Amino acid sequence: GNSVTQMEGPVTLSEEAFLTINCTYTATGYPSLFWYVQYPGEGLQLLLKATKADDKGSNKGFEATYRKETTSFHLEKGSVQVSDSAVYFCALLNFGNEKLTFGTGTRLTIIP
Amino acid sequence: DAGVIQSPRHEVTEMGQEVTLRCKPISGHDYLFWYRQTMMRGLELLIYFNNNVPIDDSGMPEDRFSAKMPNASFSTLKIQPSEPRDSAVYFCASSLVGSGYGYTFGSGTRLTVV
Repeated sequence: GNSVTQMEGPVTLSEEAFLTINCTYTATGYPSLFWYVQYPGEGLQLLLKATKADDKGSNKGFEATYRKETTSFHLEKGSVQVSDSAVYFCALLNFGNEKLTFGTGTRLTIIP
Repeated sequence: DAGVIQSPRHEVTEMGQEVTLRCKPISGHDYLFWYRQTMMRGLELLIYFNNNVPIDDSGMPEDRFSAKMPNASFSTLKIQPSEPRDSAVYFCASSLVGSGYGYTFGSGTRLTVV
């Protein structure tokens, strides 16, 4: 079956630090991959996505590259801000099956 | 589009009472999902619908929970009777199959059962 494994949290960084949140997956076929972000008191929002191998999704300074050879989709940002403090979820979606498989989420806190 | 709309945003109720949570999905979306989020258990999929038909309710914790989708623009999640362990944030999400954009989530209903 499908599964997503995320880096254990919580993660605490200083402002302007480099961020990496690891995500690996197990799936049959060629899934689409997503990162969702959940700010305090809100629902999950789509941050970025990639639909095929070697695609790079990007948004708000965040990037993630779909690596089929390592079954990974690591989230990166070069310089984090306090406003990036949130919970980040990695997820996958197989074609023909609309049920997203989520990772457990990684709580990120950025300190000034 | 106003996005996925959930009501109420907050609900406080006494143990044993019936609770009804409501969701309006994005117009044109053909899938609707109900999730529960707690600190202990994280994000749990309770049930999802395709074209108003329940597809998988294996995540519904007990018979006290029920969900309906009478039409394409409205769904309810009901808990009867409610218990303190049902306290959580309940999210509704909708999607359009084949769009590749994943889900759009509502802002959630924070339920507290005292």
